[in-house]
Amino acid sequence: QVHLQQWGAGLLKPSETLALTCSVYGGSLSGYHWGWIRQPPGKGLEWIGEINHSGSTNYNPSLKSRVTISVGTSKNQFSLRLSSVTAADTAVYYCATGAVAGYADWGQGTLVTVAS
Amino acid sequence: QSVLTQPPSASATPGQRVTISCSGSRSNVGSDYLNWYQQLPGTAPKLLIYSHTQRPSGVPDRFSGSKSGTSASLAISGLQSEDEADYYCAAWDDSLNGWVFGGGTKLTVL
Repeated sequence: QVHLQQWGAGLLKPSETLALTCSVYGGSLSGYHWGWIRQPPGKGLEWIGEINHSGSTNYNPSLKSRVTISVGTSKNQFSLRLSSVTAADTAVYYCATGAVAGYADWGQGTLVTVAS
Repeated sequence: QSVLTQPPSASATPGQRVTISCSGSRSNVGSDYLNWYQQLPGTAPKLLIYSHTQRPSGVPDRFSGSKSGTSASLAISGLQSEDEADYYCAAWDDSLNGWVFGGGTKLTVL
């Protein structure tokens, strides 16, 4: 069973860069897809993007210009960076992993608030 | 506005069967990758159904998925109080090259 633990800053000012990291326990980054999904307070889920075992990335077109998903120096970590944040980026951010068919394992979620 | 369309709410009494629909287009619901997630209050989503009809290990067979053209459905039979949650469909969109979600359906067990 894969366990995901995520962390990062929870309070940002407008124009700053959101940075979150997700560590994988009980598994590795090979053979899977590793994604980030967010959920604004009281609203639905929005896919941000993912990276696969070969390092290829796919991003939500609406966020693509501001998003970078990468594998960390520790091969069991992957990260999300979202630049130039605004209040509209306030959300719970989840890391998740799974085979090509979907995300079977999820992190605990991190509430990121953007406020001046 | 979500790419996939779900009813915002559904309700049924314990023991009944309820279905939740998810409509889209050929590029998303029409693909092989359509999943259903259950989200209990304050928790991360849980994968219930993948590839339209497949259940991950540990998911009760009360939960089932189906597809018809560019629509998909999640059925829950023998409804239990612990099934009260938000349910989301998600599909890989071949045109957008990414996952798209429905707006979610809040299921109330009366």
